[in-house]
Amino acid sequence: DAKTTQPPSMDCAEGRAANLPCNHSTISGNEYVYWYRQIHSQGPQYIIHGLKNNETNEMASLIITEDRKSSTLILPHATLRDTAVYYCIVSWANTNAGKSTFGDGTTLTVKP
Amino acid sequence: DTAVSQTPKYLVTQMGNDKSIKCEQNLGHDTMYWYKQDSKKFLKIMFSYNNKELIINETVPNRFSPKSPDKAHLNLHINSLELGDSAVYFCASSQLAGDTEAFFGQGTRLTVV
Repeated sequence: DAKTTQPPSMDCAEGRAANLPCNHSTISGNEYVYWYRQIHSQGPQYIIHGLKNNETNEMASLIITEDRKSSTLILPHATLRDTAVYYCIVSWANTNAGKSTFGDGTTLTVKP
Repeated sequence: DTAVSQTPKYLVTQMGNDKSIKCEQNLGHDTMYWYKQDSKKFLKIMFSYNNKELIINETVPNRFSPKSPDKAHLNLHINSLELGDSAVYFCASSQLAGDTEAFFGQGTRLTVV
């Protein structure tokens, strides 16, 4: 699986959009980009994933660059409960992110 | 109903003991996993089972032995526990094929003293 690089930490004001970047410059054609988060003392939680196109669900939006070498997770209106470690993972389509080792992630702190 | 449940949530034991952690999923998934999260919060896959068959076995000491009696259960047995085994262990499940997400349990915090 391709490696990913994320900033170690970010802050965001409550109610503002949180934009979390991820670099995956060695991604190959069949690999998906997955995002998970882990709130303190809980198990990781799936957020969103995509291959080439931008994706949106009830939790977040995922913007993938045209060359697929980087992506951005957007939490449109961050709340205090969004404070967590966010993991960007790249994985083959036929294995899904359950087989991948998570990287260091980005610790997002949402402040009042 | 909890989708992926692990027991126990906390486990404190002495070095050299043998212990088991149980995992059950009620999502009807084909594939189950065990992850280890160490003190640096690095989450690493250990094992993956699909329909009771081992499909991933990362570099894990053979003191760790997964057991899958059926596709809804994947238990982790650890022999001769060492201090370095102290970590949080997460069970997860998913469908194998396609671009689907994994669902994680709440974790078992193992402390070896």
